[in-house]
Amino acid sequence: EVQLVESGGGLVQPGGSLRLSCAASGFTVSTSYMSWVRQAPGKGLEWVSVIYSGGSTYYADSVKGRLTISRDNSKNTLYLQMNSLRPEDTAVYYCARTSYSGAGRYYFEYWGQGSLVTVSS
Amino acid sequence: DIQVTQSPSSLSASVADRVTITCRASQSIGNYLNWYQQKPGKAPKLLIYTASNLQSGVPFRFSGSGSGTDFTLTISSLQPEDFATYYCQQSYNFPWTFGQGTKVEI
Repeated sequence: EVQLVESGGGLVQPGGSLRLSCAASGFTVSTSYMSWVRQAPGKGLEWVSVIYSGGSTYYADSVKGRLTISRDNSKNTLYLQMNSLRPEDTAVYYCARTSYSGAGRYYFEYWGQGSLVTVSS
Repeated sequence: DIQVTQSPSSLSASVADRVTITCRASQSIGNYLNWYQQKPGKAPKLLIYTASNLQSGVPFRFSGSGSGTDFTLTISSLQPEDFATYYCQQSYNFPWTFGQGTKVEI
């Protein structure tokens, strides 16, 4: 059974840093595509980043240069390192196993329960 | 960036109603369009991928259609557990983008 469990969220001051973790079970992170998607309170969904099985990474413009996606194959865990945080980064962050049906057709098949990040002084 | 616009933003319906939600992309995206359901306080759930493929375990009353710029999610007979917010999402180009959501209420 595929399971994704996020951790590491909390309250952080503007300009601060935080690292989110997403522990996976039931599949291998290193051979999968993995994404982060966030949702500000009361708002819609926003894609943040993806890491391909080959290691390539892509980001939304709003987070480029401040948030970094990575993985630890030995721990079967995905990470999101968040630096220079801003109040507008306040959101629930979901990790998602991203499946592929050919020729760039990606979709978020499995989701974690989410981790709340609050950026406030 | 490719904009995806859902309509309506919200709708009121009754059990057994046929419900249709539309998603329009700002440029042609082939069939690179997915649909999700989200209930309050829960993670989104994949319903339909690549425009018309039903995700395993999703009831057959859900269906998707369309290609190019215009897409539709249809619930053939609304059930009590279907009251939720629905999102479309394109993966044709980065950044992957979501529609703003459609809230289905009683």
